[in-house]
Amino acid sequence: EVYLMESGGAVVQPGGSLRLSCAASGFTFGDYTMHWVRQRPGKGLEWVSLINWNGDDRFYADSVKGRFTISRDDSRSSVYLQMNGLRTEDTAFYYCAKDKGRYTGFDYWGQGTLVTVSS
Amino acid sequence: NFMLTQPHSVSASPGRTVVISCTDNTGTIAKNYVQWYQQRPGSAPTSVIYKNKERPSGIPDRFSGSFDRSSNSASLTISELKTEDEADYYCQSYDKGDWVFGGGTKLTVL
Repeated sequence: EVYLMESGGAVVQPGGSLRLSCAASGFTFGDYTMHWVRQRPGKGLEWVSLINWNGDDRFYADSVKGRFTISRDDSRSSVYLQMNGLRTEDTAFYYCAKDKGRYTGFDYWGQGTLVTVSS
Repeated sequence: NFMLTQPHSVSASPGRTVVISCTDNTGTIAKNYVQWYQQRPGSAPTSVIYKNKERPSGIPDRFSGSFDRSSNSASLTISELKTEDEADYYCQSYDKGDWVFGGGTKLTVL
């Protein structure tokens, strides 16, 4: 069974940094693109970033470009999101999601981790 | 960038059928697949339709997806509504490095 578990969410001040982790199991992690998707409280889903299967391609939403960095460690079956220069509008639940392949969306999601940016 | 537009809310009684639309006025989704996700309160999203009309394993055939090229619109149809179907539903598509979600539709099963 596929399982994704995020961790690292916390309360942080504006301008601060945070690193989110997502541990995966139940599939051959190194074969798949992985994504981060966020959801501000009471709002809709927003795609944040992806890293392809071998780490060569990384894409970001315009709202986080230059501030967030995605990475992966296949030896740990984990994907990470380094978030710098955090803003109040980055407050959200952050979900990691497994790519289904061939631009057909996300087939598995974690339960999410909450990031709160507040002074 | 393209946008996907969904109705804010829909409602129907148990046993009835509801259709949720997802419209793109740029024609982008005519070139790419549309997916649908269900998000129950307090839970993570789960996939209910991918590649416009395919159901993941475990999703009942009460859920179906379609795409109408003439209107650049995708639809999620849920028949024989159950109270457990009450949730937010999001459509999603992709174009040129941009993964886009619709704003979500709140389904109330009265």
